[in-house]
Amino acid sequence: DIQMTQSPSSLSASVGDRVTITCRASQDISIDLAWFQQKPGKAPKSLIYGASRLQSGVPSKFSGSGSGTDFTLTISSLQPEDFATYYCQQYKSYPLTFGGGTKVEIK
Amino acid sequence: QVQLVQSGAEVKKPGASVTVSCKGSGYIFTGNYIHWVRQAPGQGLEWMAWINPNSGGTLYAQKFQGSVTVTRDTSSSTAYMDLRGLTSDDTAVYYCARGGVGATAWIFDSWGQGTLVTVSS
Repeated sequence: DIQMTQSPSSLSASVGDRVTITCRASQDISIDLAWFQQKPGKAPKSLIYGASRLQSGVPSKFSGSGSGTDFTLTISSLQPEDFATYYCQQYKSYPLTFGGGTKVEIK
Repeated sequence: QVQLVQSGAEVKKPGASVTVSCKGSGYIFTGNYIHWVRQAPGQGLEWMAWINPNSGGTLYAQKFQGSVTVTRDTSSSTAYMDLRGLTSDDTAVYYCARGGVGATAWIFDSWGQGTLVTVSS
């Protein structure tokens, strides 16, 4: 199975901050990577696929980059509605696997 | 708009079985894969299986082979996930998610609201 490792596991940031979350795969997954946002008690929301392609309706303040084994999710200017847990996921091979999550909290 | 609506919360005893349903609307149900993902309390996301609603073809994570069966009813645009031999470790929120078409079948774009399954004696 491909292991997905996110860092940090949590971070504190202020409104307006630029935030970057890192995801590393245990083997080359090309650009077969997605990002999800999950708020407490809610279902995940799909943000990005193909490492950098925004899902329909996702604001451009979210961006993704990377290929191979190292990926990043960046939120350009953190807003109150962005405080949530973010997960990466590889879909290069089965089983599909997720990172452990990064909780973005208010400083 | 695309919607996946899941069945309500369940409380089951150890050893029992549970069925969670996921009804799709706002799109052609047979056109997109349906995936099942679970999340134990306070934990991360775990992929379980997919079904191709058009063909009925399925794929399971090895961990769930033998204990999970996913099916669909195209007449009602509903997918089902059956989990047998429940233990306390199966206490989790179970989500269905819509995959894409063809080569994008494993890219999730919409999620159900989740179904809490609690296993307790």
